[in-house]
Amino acid sequence: EAQVTQNPRYLITVTGKKLTVTCSQNMNHEYMSWYRQDPGLGLRQIYYSMNVEVTDKGDVPEGYKVSRKEKRNFPLILESPSPNQTSLYFCASSLQGYYGYTFGSGTRLTVV
Amino acid sequence: QQQVKQSPQSLIVQKGGISIINCAYENTAFDYFPWYQQFPGKGPALLIAIRPDVSEKKEGRFTISFNKSAKQFSLHIMDSQPGDSATYFCAASPSMEYGNKLVFGAGTILRVKS
Repeated sequence: EAQVTQNPRYLITVTGKKLTVTCSQNMNHEYMSWYRQDPGLGLRQIYYSMNVEVTDKGDVPEGYKVSRKEKRNFPLILESPSPNQTSLYFCASSLQGYYGYTFGSGTRLTVV
Repeated sequence: QQQVKQSPQSLIVQKGGISIINCAYENTAFDYFPWYQQFPGKGPALLIAIRPDVSEKKEGRFTISFNKSAKQFSLHIMDSQPGDSATYFCAASPSMEYGNKLVFGAGTILRVKS
């Protein structure tokens, strides 16, 4: 089944403790992206990657890092999480950038 | 600043009625306008999309209307059903620009009453 898999689904952590949210896709998509979803703000792009080793900032990149060492994986790293990063995070992939995103099921992160 | 403005924030419609969600944009470089549907606990899923060379696109009960001069587009759900209850996001992308980001509206929570 074609899918984007994120882990974990739920995570509660403390301020300052580094964490990684993993994302993997099995569709051989070149384009991958991370979004955060907050009430009243919709989905805002954090980082995106157009191919292996090619990443760029989205609209809200502060406090986040990404890497794309393999085509299928695009982990999101929070080096020092803060409470304002409490949010619902989605990874997405597509064959062609903007077109036909497939989203993962989301990761609900709470930073206390 | 929201690049794509979506309204209303929430909407309650009777079963069989028409649901209408509106979006407006400013960036004239936007040339691809999809709508995504999100059920609780799931990621958004592409519902229907339109390019500005057509004014309307219909797929089943879902229709996008597009007004290029007004820089507005809307989603109409005909014969709305309880199973349509979800959050709907409009989006837009400048497909010819580097990175061709997909920018989302704030979302509309639709509830269809049976």
